Amino acid sequence: AQKVTQAQTEISVVEKEDVTLDCVYETRDTTYYLFWYKQPPSGELVFLIRRNSFDEQNEISGRYSWNFQKSTSSFNFTITASQVVDSAVYFCALSEDFSGYALNFGKGTSLLVTP
Amino acid sequence: ETGVTQSPTHLIKTRGQQVTLRCSSQSGHNTVSWYQQALGQGPQFIFQYYREEENGRGNFPPRFSGLQFPNYSSELNVNALELDDSALYLCASSQTSGRRNEQFFGPGTRLTVL
Repeated sequence: AQKVTQAQTEISVVEKEDVTLDCVYETRDTTYYLFWYKQPPSGELVFLIRRNSFDEQNEISGRYSWNFQKSTSSFNFTITASQVVDSAVYFCALSEDFSGYALNFGKGTSLLVTP
Repeated sequence: ETGVTQSPTHLIKTRGQQVTLRCSSQSGHNTVSWYQQALGQGPQFIFQYYREEENGRGNFPPRFSGLQFPNYSSELNVNALELDDSALYLCASSQTSGRRNEQFFGPGTRLTVL
């Protein structure tokens, strides 16, 4: 069975600080896909990244970066120089399929960035 | 290109009643998935519809049922509502073919069962 654990329930930082959101996963599949989504107060989930299990290259997109380590089953997300607009709940998720079929989500980490 | 829309935005029902939630998929998308998100939790997969047929189901009882229409819009029906059904119901659409097939989520319907 698949499982995603986001141990940090809430994180509060001051603007311009760097922050890392942790994600640890469990799966018996050899091929799987990991995702991060952002959920602002409006409710809709916003796709941030998808990574397949064969690609352990780290990814950087602007102020966002992701560190995938298969050896520790982790897929951590770092926001550099955080901004107030980054305040949201962030979810890590796992799927057996590239499309994100039947996503298995963690419980989320609520990030609050204060001015 | 319009995004995924859901209606209604909010809904209040009483225990034992039935409810229908609606989702219009993004233009060009043929697959719709439904998720239930209880307060403070991550979304849980209910089921997916592809070409008007159920294409997979999570751990939800049969009183959760769905439909997909020829225009790929979808409905989620819940019978015999229970208090624990109170949640945000999210719909996601995608195009099952091609290389992108990324899911786009709607803003959700918040259901309160009293």
